[in-house]
Amino acid sequence: NAGVTQTPKFRVLKTGQSMTLLCAQDMNHEYMYWYRQDPGMGLRLIHYSVGEGTTAKGEVPDGYNVSRLKKQNFLLGLESAAPSQTSVYFCASSYSGTGGFSTDTQYFGPGTRLTVL
Amino acid sequence: QQPVQSPQAVILREGEDAVINCSSSKALYSVHWYRQKHGEAPVFLMILLKGGEQKGHEKISASFNEKKQQSSLYLTASQLSYSGTYFCGTLGSINNTNAGKSTFGDGTTLTVKP
Repeated sequence: NAGVTQTPKFRVLKTGQSMTLLCAQDMNHEYMYWYRQDPGMGLRLIHYSVGEGTTAKGEVPDGYNVSRLKKQNFLLGLESAAPSQTSVYFCASSYSGTGGFSTDTQYFGPGTRLTVL
Repeated sequence: QQPVQSPQAVILREGEDAVINCSSSKALYSVHWYRQKHGEAPVFLMILLKGGEQKGHEKISASFNEKKQQSSLYLTASQLSYSGTYFCGTLGSINNTNAGKSTFGDGTTLTVKP
């Protein structure tokens, strides 16, 4: 049981390049999330998904796209990277995000450290 | 709208107590607390639902006052291992379109010194 995994762990991009971050979970969770965390800051929700085939915008969605074609995978895409997207990206998953006891615990992946030059 | 945490930073000696507060301008349906060590991913501590619920985890406990739209995390007899950044998170209600939309505060950095 690997939990939540993220690939890659590190990446350096040049401005304008594109890339896809992959998040995978093996806990059969319905809900999945992408956050970014800037140095010394909290977690900002980029996009989230409440089930296979569905996605929704979070607080800071501009410049990112996501897809959830399979329940266990949640992909985050940067079409044209900008220096402002330099950050650590965390993926998380949970059984649900509906305020239910013991089902909303979010399990986080180890993070992807992205630098855009 | 993200919850507001206070204080931003706390420095303690081993054995001292600390309280971290989390408040929201919107109604809270559940509050969850996480701890993040430097360079690591956040780790779940506990979750509280509306109704004045209190939860405990070893010497770390929390309360939730839905009327005041706030939650507090209590760390008693702090240990060196408690050092890290603590985040509170809130979730949208199951009854609206924001179900599943989670937001986190900016965190409170706790440093416990010997």
